[in-house]
Amino acid sequence: GDSVTQTEGLVTLTKGLPVMLNCTYQTTYSPFLFWYVQHLNEAPKLLLKSSTDNKRTEHQGFYATLHKSSSSFHLQKSSVQLSDSALYFCALSTNYNVLYFGSGTKLTVEP
Amino acid sequence: ETAVFQTPNYHVTQVGNEVSFNCKQTLGHDTMYWYKQDSKKLLKIMFSYNNKQLIVNETVPRRFSPQSSDKAHLNLRIKSVEPEDSAVYLCASSAGGAQDTQYFGPGTRLLVL
Repeated sequence: GDSVTQTEGLVTLTKGLPVMLNCTYQTTYSPFLFWYVQHLNEAPKLLLKSSTDNKRTEHQGFYATLHKSSSSFHLQKSSVQLSDSALYFCALSTNYNVLYFGSGTKLTVEP
Repeated sequence: ETAVFQTPNYHVTQVGNEVSFNCKQTLGHDTMYWYKQDSKKLLKIMFSYNNKQLIVNETVPRRFSPQSSDKAHLNLRIKSVEPEDSAVYLCASSAGGAQDTQYFGPGTRLLVL
């Protein structure tokens, strides 16, 4: 079945450093990949999405490239800020139009 | 204001009771969803409705039943709650395509004692 794997449960970084959060997926259908961010006690919100192979998509300083050859959609940022501290979910959508979420990565940015 | 609204914010109940949660979207979307977020923050799809019709039911126990009066409303009833039902229930809506962004409500936190 469709699934998403996020390998890092917790990532702690100092402000200003780069970050990469890993996301791989499995599906037999044409994939649509999403990154959602959930701040404490808030609803998940879309950060960015893509279905185009090898094309970088960017939003609010974050970027990701869908690589269908390796089934990956890693999230990156060149310089994290304190306000980036949140839970990040990678999600997959296919023909049933529901989201299958990874287990999430909690990013904590320290001063 | 266009968004996804959920009531109540928080509900505490005893094992075996019945509960109902409400969700309304003013985004004009055709498709609505219920997701469950457990204590480990895992997010899992429960149901998907398109224009009042059930599209997806992801192996959810029979005590859960979604109810839709029109495409802007999707409620969730739990007939006889169990301790493992304690979670945050998130409602979402979208235009319905696989590429479409899903917009989430603030969630209803359920605590079963």
